[in-house]
Amino acid sequence: AQRVTQPEKLLSVFKGAPVELKCNYSYSGSPELFWYVQYSRQRLQLLLRHISRESIKGFTADLNKGETSFHLKKPFAQEEDSAMYYCALSGRGGSNYKLTFGKGTLLTVNP
Amino acid sequence: GAGVSQSPRYKVAKRGQDVALRCDPISGHVSLFWYQQALGQGPEFLTYFQNEAQLDKSGLPSDRFFAERPEGSVSTLKIQRTQQEDSAVYLCASSLVPGGATDTQYFGPGTRLTVL
Repeated sequence: AQRVTQPEKLLSVFKGAPVELKCNYSYSGSPELFWYVQYSRQRLQLLLRHISRESIKGFTADLNKGETSFHLKKPFAQEEDSAMYYCALSGRGGSNYKLTFGKGTLLTVNP
Repeated sequence: GAGVSQSPRYKVAKRGQDVALRCDPISGHVSLFWYQQALGQGPEFLTYFQNEAQLDKSGLPSDRFFAERPEGSVSTLKIQRTQQEDSAVYLCASSLVPGGATDTQYFGPGTRLTVL
């Protein structure tokens, strides 16, 4: 079974501080990992995916297969980063369309 | 362009009533997904359509839940004899190509269902 764990329900940092949102996963195989974000009163949207190895809005995430982690990081948090962040996983093969989400972490960036 | 739209945005039902939730995907998107998001939880997969074919309904919690996409565009999620545990936000998402979570899923605003 595939599972995504986000250990922090709430995370609060000050503007300009580094931020790391933790994500651990369980999957027997090579998963694809994603971060989705939901800003206040907006819909859920893709932030980044590990296969693209991209940086979006200053955020990066590295897949660590040894630790089965995909933590989201940003060196200098901004107030507009305040949002709900969900880590998600999909398998490979026939049912790779199926996303499994974590419970989410609410990030608050204080001025 | 227009994104995924869902209606109604809010629905209050009495226990035992039937409800129908509508999803309008982005035009031309082949894949359509339904998710259920309970309070304080992440979205959970319900079902997947490729055009009009329902290829996966493994996430539907009971036979009271039924989804269709008869013409490969608009989809309806129907819940019969609603129960309090059905209270949740129901999210619809669409993506351009068949299958593949690597193709970006675009989410609608959701329908918040409250069963009294």
